[in-house]
Amino acid sequence: QVQLVQSGAEVKTPGSSVRVSCKTSGGSFTSYGRSWVRQAPGQGLEWMGEIIPMFGTAYYAQKFQGRVRISADDSTNTVYMELRSLRSDDTAVYYCVKEMGRGSRSFDYWGQGTLVTVSS
Amino acid sequence: QSALTQPRSVSGSPGQSVTISCTGTASDVGGYNYVSWYQEHPGKAPRLMIYDVSQRPSGVPDRFSGSKSGNAASLTISGLQAEDEADYYCCSYAGTYTFVFGGGTKLTVL
Repeated sequence: QVQLVQSGAEVKTPGSSVRVSCKTSGGSFTSYGRSWVRQAPGQGLEWMGEIIPMFGTAYYAQKFQGRVRISADDSTNTVYMELRSLRSDDTAVYYCVKEMGRGSRSFDYWGQGTLVTVSS
Repeated sequence: QSALTQPRSVSGSPGQSVTISCTGTASDVGGYNYVSWYQEHPGKAPRLMIYDVSQRPSGVPDRFSGSKSGNAASLTISGLQAEDEADYYCCSYAGTYTFVFGGGTKLTVL
């Protein structure tokens, strides 16, 4: 059974950076893409970017280009998402999600979510 | 990469059927058979309900079905049950390892 376990809640000040981790247990780490999806309070889901651990290449939503970096560490089966120049509207729950693979483009496993609060 | 368009809310009585629409463009919904649907209950992580337009993962009741025509996709829930009350999000692959979600639809079971 695949499990995605994310790091704990963070409180950050405007202009700072945050790094959220997501450790995978069970299944193959390198074979399936990992995306980051966020949800602001009372708002919908927003896709931020994805990394393919096998290739180490990351792809980002235009909105976050230049401000987000997604990376993967094969030795620890962990994916990271770093968001810079934080603003108050970055306050959200950030989810790590795993692509189903096998020719599908969907997300079959979700982490428990990490609340990032940006406040002065 | 604009969000896909979903109705803000839909409702139905137990036992009835409801359909939630999801409208995109030829660059996302219309361009790929990779539309997925997620159910989200308050305080919980979203759950995959439909993938690749119309496929159900193991464990999802067959009351849930998906379809697509052109740039629009739909999720139909038949035989509504109280536990179906939740937020539903569509998502489409948009090429080059990118994705876009819909704004979400709140389903109320009357």
